[in-house]
Amino acid sequence: QVQLVQSGAEVKKPGASVRVSCKASGFRFSGFIHWVRQAPGQGLEWMGWVSPNNGGTYYEQKFQGRVAMTRDTSITTAYMELSGLRADDTAVYYCAREFWDAAVAPYGYALDVWGQGTTVTVSS
Amino acid sequence: DIQLTQSPSFVSASVGDRVTLTCRASQAINSYLAWYQQKPGKAPRLLIYAASTLQSGVPSRFSGTGSGAEFTLTISSLQPEDSATYYCQQLYRYLPYTFGQGTKLEI
Repeated sequence: QVQLVQSGAEVKKPGASVRVSCKASGFRFSGFIHWVRQAPGQGLEWMGWVSPNNGGTYYEQKFQGRVAMTRDTSITTAYMELSGLRADDTAVYYCAREFWDAAVAPYGYALDVWGQGTTVTVSS
Repeated sequence: DIQLTQSPSFVSASVGDRVTLTCRASQAINSYLAWYQQKPGKAPRLLIYAASTLQSGVPSRFSGTGSGAEFTLTISSLQPEDSATYYCQQLYRYLPYTFGQGTKLEI
């Protein structure tokens, strides 16, 4: 079964760091893993991606300097660490697999498998 | 960064209606566009990619059109389970993969 399973909810104080894990199973752990967050009552916000192949990353500029996306291929798990937490980082954090369909190249990219989401609450 | 603007922000329709949602990009993105459906408390679900390709398992009442900077998602005959928020996302390579702000569809 193709799935991404994320770690459980976290409560953090302002200024702390949080690390969310995303365990992949049922597929080859090679395509990009993206991270997307959603603040309460708000829309989806794309954060960046990590490449399981070589560990390469690409971050939304807003998060640069505060986010680190990594992976451990031996256990097919991706991680997202966010530091310097603020109240407005309170959100559900999702990981998602990038999908590629060669039949509609070069446009066939999308996020087709999503984790269940991890709630991160930042509160003093 | 490429900005995506969805319209309308909210739409109310009835079972059996045809509804069209729009997504406009701040610059041309060819067909690097996907549509997602999200229900409360759930992760998004991929509906359409490459602007018009239906994801496997998605009902054929969903369709996507467009290229360049203007795109549409049409639901041809609304069902009660289509009540959700719909997001577009641009996946123009090696740029931030921004989402639109969403359209909430109430049945």
